[in-house]
Amino acid sequence: DGGITQSPKYLFRKEGQNVTLSCEQNLNHDAMYWYRQDPGQGLRLIYYSQIVNDFQKGDIAEGYSVSREKKESFPLTVTSAQKNPTAFYLCASSPAGGRYGYTFGSGTRLTVV
Amino acid sequence: QKEVEQDPGPLSVPEGAIVSLNCTYSNSAFQYFMWYRQYSRKGPELLMYTYSSGNKEDGRFTAQVDKSSKYISLFIRDSQPSDSATYLCASNAGGTSYGKLTFGQGTILTVHP
Repeated sequence: DGGITQSPKYLFRKEGQNVTLSCEQNLNHDAMYWYRQDPGQGLRLIYYSQIVNDFQKGDIAEGYSVSREKKESFPLTVTSAQKNPTAFYLCASSPAGGRYGYTFGSGTRLTVV
Repeated sequence: QKEVEQDPGPLSVPEGAIVSLNCTYSNSAFQYFMWYRQYSRKGPELLMYTYSSGNKEDGRFTAQVDKSSKYISLFIRDSQPSDSATYLCASNAGGTSYGKLTFGQGTILTVHP
């Protein structure tokens, strides 16, 4: 079955540590997105990529980095510069243009300990 | 002001009730409108998609868009306990916005037996 796989499901980070969240899709979608979800704030866009080897900052990119070396993969690194990283992170993909909606992964819950 | 505003609720209704979920938006360029359903600790799933103004029906769900008043609605008939979830509205302008969905904050719905 086609879909998006996010791993791990739960992740714990120590202060000052970088962590990488994995996102893989087998839907042959061109575009991929990373969102952060906090209670009462909805989904906020971190980064998005329309094509391999190209990506753009979203609304809250500070403290995060991404790469898009393969069409299927769009990993997100949460760096130590991100002051409040505890959140639910969602990866999504869509055909080019995204006008017909996204397919989301099941999310990664990141907690700072 | 957020581009898409949604009452976070929570909203609690008895089984069998008609549920009305609403969003307003401010960006006149928005043309594509979606509703997502998100169960606890899961990724959102696309429930309904509409383009421009009008109604769209799918089983117990009806999505309605009124572009003149910038109002988006989702109606759920004969609500069931399994409908208990967070409902997110989302909009996209198409064109140069290239796939960037703007989400509302989400409304938490509980349907009790």
